[in-house]
Amino acid sequence: QSALTQPASVSGSPGQSITISCTGSSSDVGGYNYVSWYQQHPGKAPKLMIYDVSKRPSGVSNRFSGSKSGNTASLTISGLQAEDEADYYCISYTSSTTWVFGGGTKLTVL
Amino acid sequence: QITLKESGPTLVKPTQTLTLTCSFSGFSLSTSGVGVGWIRQPPGKALEWLALIYWNDDKRYSPSLKSRLTVTKDTSKNQVVLTLTNMDRVDTATYYCARKLGPLDYWGQGSLVTVSS
Repeated sequence: QSALTQPASVSGSPGQSITISCTGSSSDVGGYNYVSWYQQHPGKAPKLMIYDVSKRPSGVSNRFSGSKSGNTASLTISGLQAEDEADYYCISYTSSTTWVFGGGTKLTVL
Repeated sequence: QITLKESGPTLVKPTQTLTLTCSFSGFSLSTSGVGVGWIRQPPGKALEWLALIYWNDDKRYSPSLKSRLTVTKDTSKNQVVLTLTNMDRVDTATYYCARKLGPLDYWGQGSLVTVSS
């Protein structure tokens, strides 16, 4: 199985909104509503930000939202803050009953 | 409070077998729907999903590593063990374990394993 496709980097200014895409196929992203998003700061373990495409765990800011259209899932961060600067990864369930991560996106807050 | 912690060697030689233990607390791997997954991350690179074991001993492995991976659980000890055979330099990575209840929601701090002779 191939890694899901994410842009290598995105950037935005404080207060702006950005969207990170995660593109797969009908065998993973498009076939199931089991896409999660993780935030990872340098040297830290990943933190769950979104699961089941658009659900937010308790304690995660409502500035983070998720959606899906066809084979592409998206993570949107509104009202960008300096602390949002991190790497972001998507993961999806697959038709092989396994899981596959995206290649990761580095978010820079300008 | 849910915690997970990975333990094992920090250095292994090429061709050796890596054995990592995930010790957890705050949940039980005998509870329906619960699983423990393993994920790794080479230095400066992306996360890679490796394996998953469920409460009912159902196991899932990354297709690309399936022949080299084994995951087992000891419910009484609250531990999950991952073995990866025939280690190579490309297997140098931080290895994470994480609880799966729906998503992978709680993660360990990670354990850096370096493969070098």
